[in-house]
Amino acid sequence: SQQGEEDPQALSIQEGENATMNCSYKTSINNLQWYRQNSGRGLVHLILIRSNEREKHSGRLRVTLDTSKKSSSLLITASRAADTASYFCASMRGSARQLTFGSGTQLTVLP
Amino acid sequence: DAGITQSPRYKITETGRQVTLMCHQTWSHSYMFWYRQDLGHGLRLIYYSAAADITDKGEVPDGYVVSRSKTENFPLTLESATRSQTSVYFCASSNPGLAGSEQFFGPGTRLTVL
Repeated sequence: SQQGEEDPQALSIQEGENATMNCSYKTSINNLQWYRQNSGRGLVHLILIRSNEREKHSGRLRVTLDTSKKSSSLLITASRAADTASYFCASMRGSARQLTFGSGTQLTVLP
Repeated sequence: DAGITQSPRYKITETGRQVTLMCHQTWSHSYMFWYRQDLGHGLRLIYYSAAADITDKGEVPDGYVVSRSKTENFPLTLESATRSQTSVYFCASSNPGLAGSEQFFGPGTRLTVL
């Protein structure tokens, strides 16, 4: 079963608006990562947040982590048409290097 | 610098045939992974490898075999393909020197089993 679940499953916004995606996970983690996948392509790493961090920024991306609620959110500010993609959260537990992926959010940014 | 490559990119085969998907990385990352991606399931880990000659099962290993004789290669074999193995397969690698490091993904292989 999937460790992470994401919502919404699909999100459609206008260019310039902010997009927020949420992820929940079930067990304690070392870190949580977000990846982007353009249609027909492999996944690309966006940002990693460790379990002792609460917020992290990278360019137009802001990630928060609430370990008490076992949840994370990804905010993309001032979205662009090029941000159209699927976004996945992935959790890393224990000493293993394995990631457990959520089912993803399909983001569509309309020009 | 090619990074991580997969071959073939597309494959059509028949039920019962053996199929091998190739994965090659040029970074000398010690960790490598195989995932399958199906609609509604996200990515699920099939097998992973921490180093040459060290492999371990992931979430959905049944029907698959892996080997890792060289650090840079991590082939995935479907010994007797079934229709349920129709999927997109992704290979990934990571650098174990960094705690919780990111994974780098190949472009994927779309496999259809008829």
